[in-house]
Amino acid sequence: DTAVSQTPKYLVTQMGNDKSIKCEQNLGHDTMYWYKQDSKKFLKIMFSYNNKELIINETVPNRFSPKSPDKAHLNLHINSLELGDSAVYFCASSRPLGNGYTFGSGTRLTVV
Amino acid sequence: GNSVTQMEGPVTLSEEAFLTINCTYTATGYPSLFWYVQYPGEGLQLLLKATKADDKGSNKGFEATYRKETTSFHLEKGSVQVSDSAVYFCALSILTGGGNKLTFGTGTQLKVEL
Repeated sequence: DTAVSQTPKYLVTQMGNDKSIKCEQNLGHDTMYWYKQDSKKFLKIMFSYNNKELIINETVPNRFSPKSPDKAHLNLHINSLELGDSAVYFCASSRPLGNGYTFGSGTRLTVV
Repeated sequence: GNSVTQMEGPVTLSEEAFLTINCTYTATGYPSLFWYVQYPGEGLQLLLKATKADDKGSNKGFEATYRKETTSFHLEKGSVQVSDSAVYFCALSILTGGGNKLTFGTGTQLKVEL
């Protein structure tokens, strides 16, 4: 049983397109996150939701819009994709104190 | 702000060698500290953690001790194996009014050769 699952695993798309990445967790955690890992492996938080409420929104272009229909799901929609959006996007979840995050296996987005 | 600094890689070792990956942090407040490992093509897995000063986290032969006086959380293993080849991330977490987030170091790639 996968604890944090993301789909798709790979996504190749053209500049200017709109795409979504889905994330689901079955751990009963209240808090979910999106992280971006660039080509140099650097990881940076993008968003955090606690029980469907946005609590962290780092400096991310407003082309990126997270949506949490319930506390087990956190999707990421990206409008007007740019070359610089190419990266691996990781979803994660944790209990509120955050002592131990569980990460998904990542979505490798390539914008051409 | 909060930040994590870890040694640059890649670190290349022979099998059964001793491993140390240095990690220091800057934080306001009292963070929890973590080591995550990322095997090629995979996501991040929690390797070990420590939530207060002098705690030692350990798992799969890896150890790290939370040193408040030196703001460090160095990762060690007495005898590495080829299967330990991966990227290792040091991270900290603090719960604040703005929420909770993991702040990562830049990652250190470890290559273990026969």
